[in-house]
Amino acid sequence: DQQVKQNSPSLSVQEGRISILNCDYTNSMFDYFLWYKKYPAEGPTFLISISSIKDKNEDGRFTVFLNKSAKHLSLHIVPSQPGDSAVYFCAASENSGYALNFGKGTSLLVTP
Amino acid sequence: NAGVTQTPKFQVLKTGQSMTLQCAQDMNHNSMYWYRQDPGMGLRLIYYSASEGTTDKGEVPNGYNVSRLNKREFSLRLESAAPSQTSVYFCASSPAGYGYTFGSGTRLTVV
Repeated sequence: DQQVKQNSPSLSVQEGRISILNCDYTNSMFDYFLWYKKYPAEGPTFLISISSIKDKNEDGRFTVFLNKSAKHLSLHIVPSQPGDSAVYFCAASENSGYALNFGKGTSLLVTP
Repeated sequence: NAGVTQTPKFQVLKTGQSMTLQCAQDMNHNSMYWYRQDPGMGLRLIYYSASEGTTDKGEVPNGYNVSRLNKREFSLRLESAAPSQTSVYFCASSPAGYGYTFGSGTRLTVV
């Protein structure tokens, strides 16, 4: 049973606009959440994370928002750039980061 | 800056054959992991090793065995490959839980 869900398999955004990628989770014991970015034929790379004690974390153009009551998190990319085109995976953990549970991923395409 | 190195990058096996996927990290990380990625399924944890000398099952361990040879190396063995094990396999390491560093993957096809 998938505990981390990314319900949008793909998203297309124009360059310069905001990209919003969504993630829902079912396990209320999750205490740490991460986003990974993956290009074809490469391994995923860490993008940004957030602890359950926070509701927002920002790193440059990337911001992650956490709504614990709704069991929902989102990744905002502003402004979007063509180089952001990749698959984005949401991940969560309930035991200090071991055994991350990943969503199925959302493929983002940023068009010029 | 090798990070996490996986070998081989590509492999084709016949059903019933065995093979070992190798993974090594040079970052002195305590924890290591094996995931598989299938279309529409995301990344699923096969096995992990929280520290040298320990291994634990993940979500999809059936048909696999692992060995944490030392702090640097964590291998994944398929004893009798099946077509259902056709996948891309990723090894990862982390200092202690958070902050995985992934390898570039092994693309395995079982025919």
